[in-house]
Formats: sequence, structure tokens, C-alpha cells
Amino acid sequence: QLQLLESGPGLVKPSETLSLTCAVSGDSISSSNYYWGWIRLPPGKGLECIASIFSSGKTLYNPSLKSRVTMSIDMSKNQISLTLNSMTAADTGVYYCVRHGKLSGYVLDVWGPGTTVTVSS
Amino acid sequence: QSALTQPPSASGSPGQSVTISCTGTSSDVGAYNYVSWYQQHPGKAPKLMIFGVNNRPSGVPDRFSGSKSGNTASLTVSGLQPEDEADYYCTSSAGGSTLGVFGGGTKLTVL
Repeated sequence: QLQLLESGPGLVKPSETLSLTCAVSGDSISSSNYYWGWIRLPPGKGLECIASIFSSGKTLYNPSLKSRVTMSIDMSKNQISLTLNSMTAADTGVYYCVRHGKLSGYVLDVWGPGTTVTVSS
Repeated sequence: QSALTQPPSASGSPGQSVTISCTGTSSDVGAYNYVSWYQQHPGKAPKLMIFGVNNRPSGVPDRFSGSKSGNTASLTVSGLQPEDEADYYCTSSAGGSTLGVFGGGTKLTVL
């Protein structure tokens, strides 16, 4: 059974860099059929896509976040990572790791439980 | 790419039907049949309910259905049950290797 599990610091200071990891179990991230990505849910707001990465290293970024985001993939550990720099209070929220099909049109069929990130000094 | 427009709230009594709209433009919802809907209960991760406008993943009750007309997609929940009370989000994409854009979410209340 495919499972995604996010991990991260929980609390980040303003202007610092957030680093999150998503461990994938039950499937290989080297699959040629799926992208692996991140979605976030700010408090009181709606879902927002951040970025996704394919096994080849090809990345897709939300244009509004692209200048601050980097994604990477570690085949040996079967995990993906996200870094988001210059954090502000607006980046507070729950961050979810997701899978979506390469050809399915951004169908997010598997989600991790999410990890809460708070930006505060 | 602008966010899709959803009503902030919707409600219905048990057994009734409720329809939630998701309005985009001719560049997103109107251009592609890549509309999905997600259900999110408080404190839980979202769950895929509808993909490709009107397809249900295995395990999703057939009380949930999707449709599209022009630039507006809709999610209909028939025979409302208390457990349907949740936030619902739509998303649209250009397909293939592209990210999607989300609606602002609709809070469905079962009276």
C-alpha cells in the first residue's frame, strides 16, 4: 500500500529557509508514470500547489513561488525534498506530499497526512 | 493562472442533493476535461472524489457526481449524509505535465 510521510521542522523563523522531506513507501519514486509534489493549506485559506518533480528530475513550479522553491529527488532513499526560502508568516500552513499521474491531468490520488509549518520568531 | 471560483458555503438536509460550482475561464475549466474534486474533513488530508470531470475513483460512493458546462464545473452530492459535511475543493489543469489551479473551497454543511 502506497504511503507518503512528510517530515519537517514545525517552526521556522521569518527570512529563514524551510526544508521538508517526503518519504515514499509501497512504490518506487523512479516510476515512469507519476510526479511527486507538494501542496499547502494556509490557515483560513484554500489549497495551493507548490511544485512537483518527476523521476527524471523534471520539475513543475507554481509561478508565484518559483523564485523561492527548489525540489529534489533521492532515488536511493525513495524520497523527495522541498526547500522554500525567505519564509514569511504567509507561508504558515499544513504542507502535504502528493502523487499525480504523468498523463492524468494533475489528479492527486495519494496524499500524505501533512506536516504543520509555523513561521514565527 | 488565477484561482477558480467556488461559493464559500453550501448546505442541505440529510437526504437532499447539493451542487457546488467551480467557475474558471476558457483557458482552464472550459478548455480541458481535467477537473478534479477533493473532500477534506477537519484535520485530515484531502481525498480525491472526482477526476476527469465525472469519474469516481474506486471506493467513492456513487452519490458523488461531477459535470461541466462551458467554464463551470459542478460537484453534486445526492442523498446527503452527515459524513458528507466537509470542505470541497475543485482543481483544473491543462493536463500532462502541468500543475493545476485550485478553487478557494466550499464548506458543505449538513443541516
